[in-house]
Amino acid sequence: SAVISQKPSRDICQRGTSLTIQCQVDSQVTMMFWYRQQPGQSLTLIATANQGSEATYESGFVIDKFPISRPNLTFSTLTVSNMSPEDSSIYLCSVATSGGAGMSQYFGPGTRLLVL
Amino acid sequence: SQKIEQNSEALNIQEGKTATLTCNYTNYSPAYLQWYRQDPGRGPVFLLLIRENEKEKRKERLKVTFDTTLKQSLFHITASQPADSATYLCAPRSYSGNTPLVFGKGTRLSVIA
Repeated sequence: SAVISQKPSRDICQRGTSLTIQCQVDSQVTMMFWYRQQPGQSLTLIATANQGSEATYESGFVIDKFPISRPNLTFSTLTVSNMSPEDSSIYLCSVATSGGAGMSQYFGPGTRLLVL
Repeated sequence: SQKIEQNSEALNIQEGKTATLTCNYTNYSPAYLQWYRQDPGRGPVFLLLIRENEKEKRKERLKVTFDTTLKQSLFHITASQPADSATYLCAPRSYSGNTPLVFGKGTRLSVIA
């Protein structure tokens, strides 16, 4: 398993500003993912951030809006740029580890973002 | 396109009864399927994984079945307790094991004392 922490746990931001969310893992992992969960909705994958390569974004998400860094195997950041109220969401970091039963995925506690 | 459906958005049951949640999928050939629990304002927590060649998996009061013919998984909580109240998410995964999980919308379970 993996223990994941995120900072900040929550924030209230003004529209037009940017927020960088940090994700720290207690072990080295190759595969890391960022998800968004809007109120009352399920999780939506934003991007895959594997160390040593550029992040891969899902349809509807672009690097200019959600730049991601992955400087090493235990850390990643997601920036929400030029925020609008529609960006109010929980942002979740997730990592994948491989085991005998295949790939297991673990989630951080999330960052709750409110944009005014 | 791939689709995951969980039977209902909300399910209310009496304490002590068995809760049964359904996950149906289409346009998938999952090698295995995972179930997660999510409490309000928190990240999902892994509960159980069942492989395509396993019909049933148990863990304490939890039981998961996997029917690849029906393209369905059932998640049971026996002797349910108010502490079991949460949203439960299913996520099938194909043989392309390095792809991230895609989740259903979840079923919000409320166990009433």
